[in-house]
Amino acid sequence: SQQGEEDPQALSIQEGENATMNCSYKTSINNLQWYRQNSGRGLVHLILIRSNEREKHSGRLRVTLDTSKKSSSLLITASRAADTASYFCATCDTGGFKTIFGAGTRLFVKA
Amino acid sequence: DVKVTQSSRYLVKRTGEKVFLECVQDMDHENMFWYRQDPGLGLRLIYFSYDVKMKEKGDIPEGYSVSREKKERFSLILESASTNQTSMYLCASRRQGAGYEQYFGPGTRLTVT
Repeated sequence: SQQGEEDPQALSIQEGENATMNCSYKTSINNLQWYRQNSGRGLVHLILIRSNEREKHSGRLRVTLDTSKKSSSLLITASRAADTASYFCATCDTGGFKTIFGAGTRLFVKA
Repeated sequence: DVKVTQSSRYLVKRTGEKVFLECVQDMDHENMFWYRQDPGLGLRLIYFSYDVKMKEKGDIPEGYSVSREKKERFSLILESASTNQTSMYLCASRRQGAGYEQYFGPGTRLTVT
């Protein structure tokens, strides 16, 4: 069963704009992770936020986590054409082993 | 840098063939995973392995088996390939523990005709 569900499914923006993607999940988690996938390639880990954290930054990425609403958001600031990819959220359960991925958001950044 | 490699980028097999997908990681990670990725369904876990010779079923193990004889290598086996196993297969590894990210290989796009 899918745990994380991303919203929107697809997003198209102009270079320089910010991109926001949301993720909702159903059960208690140990942490939530965001990954990026370029077309036809494997996933690359972007950022991990633990259940006791509310916000985390990494370069142009900002992730928030609201455990009361069981939701997370990924903000990419000042987007570039090279940010065009699919973005997945993934939750790791409190048991600590299984990581469950959502279906992803496809981001297209127009130059 | 962690490196996860998969034996093939593209593979075409016939229905009924036995198919081996190999995954190797070079960072001494305890945990390894096999996923399949289909449009609109995200990644679905087929099998995972805590450590050498240990394996656990994921969400969709039917039609698959795995082997982990050495720590660095995790093999996915399709005993008798079927057309509904046409998919992208992704291998990943992770250090033991919940607080670590997974490192993915480049994927194998398998077509069963």
